[in-house]
Amino acid sequence: EDKVVQSPLSLVVHEGDTVTLNCSYEVTNFRSLLWYKQEKKAPTFLFMLTSSGIEKKSGRLSSILDKKELFSILNITATQTGDSAVYLCALPETSYGKLTFGQGTILTVHP
Amino acid sequence: DVKVTQSSRYLVKRTGEKVFLECVQDMDHENMFWYRQDPGLGLRLIYFSYDVKMKEKGDIPEGYSVSREKKERFSLILESASTNQTSMYLCASSTRLAGGPAAVYEQYFGPGTRLTVT
Repeated sequence: EDKVVQSPLSLVVHEGDTVTLNCSYEVTNFRSLLWYKQEKKAPTFLFMLTSSGIEKKSGRLSSILDKKELFSILNITATQTGDSAVYLCALPETSYGKLTFGQGTILTVHP
Repeated sequence: DVKVTQSSRYLVKRTGEKVFLECVQDMDHENMFWYRQDPGLGLRLIYFSYDVKMKEKGDIPEGYSVSREKKERFSLILESASTNQTSMYLCASSTRLAGGPAAVYEQYFGPGTRLTVT
């Protein structure tokens, strides 16, 4: 059975700090790894990673995948209060796109 | 823009009631999903559907059923609500994006329904 473990489960930082969120996984048939951000309501898509070592970047957020060591990290530089959210990592399992999610990391950014 | 809507944002029901949660997507997506989200447990898949009238159990289907009579609509049914079904319920949809040797899938989520069973 596929498994996704995120760490830390929660993190409290101050504005301007840099944070690194971790996602490790076990999967039978790797397709891709997805990162989502969830604020008050629906998770919104951040990144989809399919290849090792290629950084995906969007503003202050970046993510990279290591398929050999079976993990991904999500970096946020110069954090802002608007980055406060739950960050979810997920793996698609089947050809129907069923996702297995990690527990999520709750990030709180204080002014 | 993909839009996934859910029938209610907040719902309060009594133990033993039958509860219907509706989800509608407007992007002609083949796949639709129902999750529940609880603190410390992340999102857990209840059921999913890959076509009209087709359904598959997810990781925690017990106490739930689903219905997909039309492509755009996926309903989650709690036959007899219990207090341990108090949770946030999220619906999602996706299509199949083929890219290179591996197919990749992105799900679009609705705003969620916070259900309280008393």
